[in-house]
Amino acid sequence: GDSVTQMEGPVTLSEEAFLTINCTYTATGYPSLFWYVQYPGEGLQLLLKATKADDKGSNKGFEATYRKETTSFHLEKGSVQVSDSAVYFCALTRIQGAQKLVFGQGTRLTINP
Amino acid sequence: DVKVTQSSRYLVKRTGEKVFLECVQDMDHENMFWYRQDPGLGLRLIYFSYDVKMKEKGDIPEGYSVSREKKERFSLILESASTNQTSMYLCASRQQGADGYTFGSGTRLTVV
Repeated sequence: GDSVTQMEGPVTLSEEAFLTINCTYTATGYPSLFWYVQYPGEGLQLLLKATKADDKGSNKGFEATYRKETTSFHLEKGSVQVSDSAVYFCALTRIQGAQKLVFGQGTRLTINP
Repeated sequence: DVKVTQSSRYLVKRTGEKVFLECVQDMDHENMFWYRQDPGLGLRLIYFSYDVKMKEKGDIPEGYSVSREKKERFSLILESASTNQTSMYLCASRQQGADGYTFGSGTRLTVV
């Protein structure tokens, strides 16, 4: 079945550091890919998405490129801020079928000032 | 702003109790979902509903049931709560055919 694998956390960085959170997926066909963010005490918010190969999603300085050849959707940000501290989830949904969101295990990110 | 509202942020229940978790959305979305969130496991789908009175099992339905009598409300029922159901429960809704899901803030359930 469909699955998503994220890099193990937690991840701790200093402010203004470069961030990469790795995400790879297994799915038949051409899924849509997402990054969701969960700030402390809140539900999940959509951060960015990409719906076809080579698409780049971007939002709030974060970027991720849909790489079909490596089945990856790594999240990057050039200069993180303390306010980026949160849990980040990679997810996919297939265009056909039930269109359920399948999530990775989540990566907790802490940014120190 | 569109909203998904979960009735309780925190709940403590006893083993064997019947527990109701309520979720209401104000966006007229057809699809609604219940996930549980556990550290290291991400979010796992319990049940979902395509529309009123329709329900489908997700990946971990055992020990749970659901009810969708009205379009805006999707209830998760723990028939006989057990300690391994201690978790964060998240409700989400989505317009049929759209990419975007809207999540509630979650209910943290502790079963003692």
